[in-house]
Amino acid sequence: QQPVQSPQAVILREGEDAVINCSSSKALYSVHWYRQKHGEAPVFLMILLKGGEQKGHEKISASFNEKKQQSSLYLTASQLSYSGTYFCGSREGGTYKYIFGTGTRLKVLA
Amino acid sequence: DTEVTQTPKHLVMGMTNKKSLKCEQHMGHRAMYWYKQKAKKPPELMFVYSYEKLSINESVPSRFSPECPNSSLLNLHLHALQPEDSALYLCASSHAKDRVLSGGYGYTFGSGTRLTVV
Repeated sequence: QQPVQSPQAVILREGEDAVINCSSSKALYSVHWYRQKHGEAPVFLMILLKGGEQKGHEKISASFNEKKQQSSLYLTASQLSYSGTYFCGSREGGTYKYIFGTGTRLKVLA
Repeated sequence: DTEVTQTPKHLVMGMTNKKSLKCEQHMGHRAMYWYKQKAKKPPELMFVYSYEKLSINESVPSRFSPECPNSSLLNLHLHALQPEDSALYLCASSHAKDRVLSGGYGYTFGSGTRLTVV
């Protein structure tokens, strides 16, 4: 069963902040975040390996709560280039089976 | 070279045709993947090769046949497809799973082949 993301879609103005949540019914051993622009390949943003870990990438950061089986992606001072669909994902423990979350479509307006 | 190259970028095929999708990487990754993505949906895992051996087949119909001739190449052979198989087919590669975890590496995706079955 794939991780569920919320919200499904969000529209922002440039400079606004957003949070995207990822929740799984299965244990999460690591969480990846990707961004996919229309017609392009998903691009790896970051991986969180341990419960409670937080990582940052430009103005995009993420946290991982292993106990709650949740991860959140934080986008601050959004830019037009942040528009796209964001996917979380996780590997089933010990395997190569990598499952994407349901996705969040984000649009940043000027 | 930090890319995964997929060819062709677009493919239109009839239901009786046989065609192949190709994927190539030169990053030394030993795991390669095929995903299928329908519009506005997340990519769905189809196959995983680890060290050139088929590791995972997600109950994919036999009209899709993967092949990994060497550590850099991954093919997907298509035969007798249905219109509902029309989708974006993505290839990805990664380090072996332990190194993904220990090194914090993710997966690198190709730009995909947009397949239309008529």
